[in-house]
Amino acid sequence: GIQVEQSPPDLILQEGANSTLRCNFSDSVNNLQWFHQNPWGQLINLFYIPSGTKQNGRLSATTVATERYSLLYISSSQTTDSGVYFCAVGVRFGNEKLTFGTGTRLTIIP
Amino acid sequence: EAQVTQNPRYLITVTGKKLTVTCSQNMNHEYMSWYRQDPGLGLRQIYYSMNVEVTDKGDVPEGYKVSRKEKRNFPLILESPSPNQTSLYFCASSSWTSGVYEQYFGPGTRLTVT
Repeated sequence: GIQVEQSPPDLILQEGANSTLRCNFSDSVNNLQWFHQNPWGQLINLFYIPSGTKQNGRLSATTVATERYSLLYISSSQTTDSGVYFCAVGVRFGNEKLTFGTGTRLTIIP
Repeated sequence: EAQVTQNPRYLITVTGKKLTVTCSQNMNHEYMSWYRQDPGLGLRQIYYSMNVEVTDKGDVPEGYKVSRKEKRNFPLILESPSPNQTSLYFCASSSWTSGVYEQYFGPGTRLTVT
């Protein structure tokens, strides 16, 4: 099956810093999503981005499908950004079968 | 309010005693999924459903059953739970609405099998 690797596994930053999280995948995908799990365990879908670039406030994501990677950018980090960020991929469009990476744990220090 | 509900939120049970974790969504979403989350392994998909009566296996379906008799409900059934099914379980629903993809997760069910 498809392999998904995320880096770095852990990231500790001062409030206000910028960060880039990376997701590499081993095969062509038609579905790529980024999620945030907050310290209380709640999961939120951030982006559906199988290709191209999207922005939502301080967060943006870029997927370069031909090179099999995606990047999540967080600017001007806030303590509420802490948690684990997951990317998940699927190989068939419209098919909800997803494979997750093991995540990047982000800690923002005040 | 759009939401996915799971019950129970916490469950401690014994090996072999059949159990069902319910999942319900109020958004008329076509797609629903079950995941388990274990330390160091991230989330792994157990089963997913594309619509009523349409289900398929995810990456770790062994030991689980699902059914989708109604659009809003997607229960997860453990016929004979074992200790290796101790985990945190999440249900999710998703859909394309007016060209926009939306997905919501339930709050999670923490299951302990002794």
